[in-house]
Amino acid sequence: DAMVIQNPRYQVTQFGKPVTLSCSQTLNHNVMYWYQQKSSQAPKLLFHYYDKDFNNEADTPDNFQSRRPNTSFCFLDIRSPGLGDAAMYLCATSRDGTVYEQYFGPGTRLTVT
Amino acid sequence: KQEVTQIPAALSVPEGENLVLNCSFTDSAIYNLQWFRQDPGKGLTSLLLIQSSQREQTSGRLNASLDKSSGRSTLYIAASQPGDSATYLCAVNLWAGGGNKLTFGTGTQLKVEL
Repeated sequence: DAMVIQNPRYQVTQFGKPVTLSCSQTLNHNVMYWYQQKSSQAPKLLFHYYDKDFNNEADTPDNFQSRRPNTSFCFLDIRSPGLGDAAMYLCATSRDGTVYEQYFGPGTRLTVT
Repeated sequence: KQEVTQIPAALSVPEGENLVLNCSFTDSAIYNLQWFRQDPGKGLTSLLLIQSSQREQTSGRLNASLDKSSGRSTLYIAASQPGDSATYLCAVNLWAGGGNKLTFGTGTQLKVEL
């Protein structure tokens, strides 16, 4: 049973053309995360939602934004993608508290042409 | 700033060998450490989660240990199989504000050969 679902799995966009990536979960977890993983690099946390509270990482570019309309869904918006934004984007969820592990989706591979 | 290092970056072993993957971190004030597996072009699969108060966790052929004071964790894989071939990532959590904010290492790419 799919628990963290990301759509689309592959996304191609043009330089400067806004793009939205989607994540949904069936776990009813109250925390959702977005990570960026470039080729051969470690995943890097962009931001996370604790319920409706948005928490941005200090070094996340302004070009990246997120929305969480309800518990199940979270979106990553890239306002003006550059070639350097080509990466795998990973969504994860967890329950509140440090004792709980994170569950990841399959990722969306973004290509910028 | 927390730095997480994984050694070796790549490892190739024959099937059946026992092996150890290493993870080190610079800030020992962690709340937990999580080991993941990542297959090429895929997302991350959680393998083991160790709380800061624990010294080890086991799941099947996998055993993870944690020495918080020295900033080290190891993932032991017993009787390796070709299906174990993947990249293994460790990640530490320094934050207790709700959920976990993970800082990842760059991983160890494991290949188990027939």
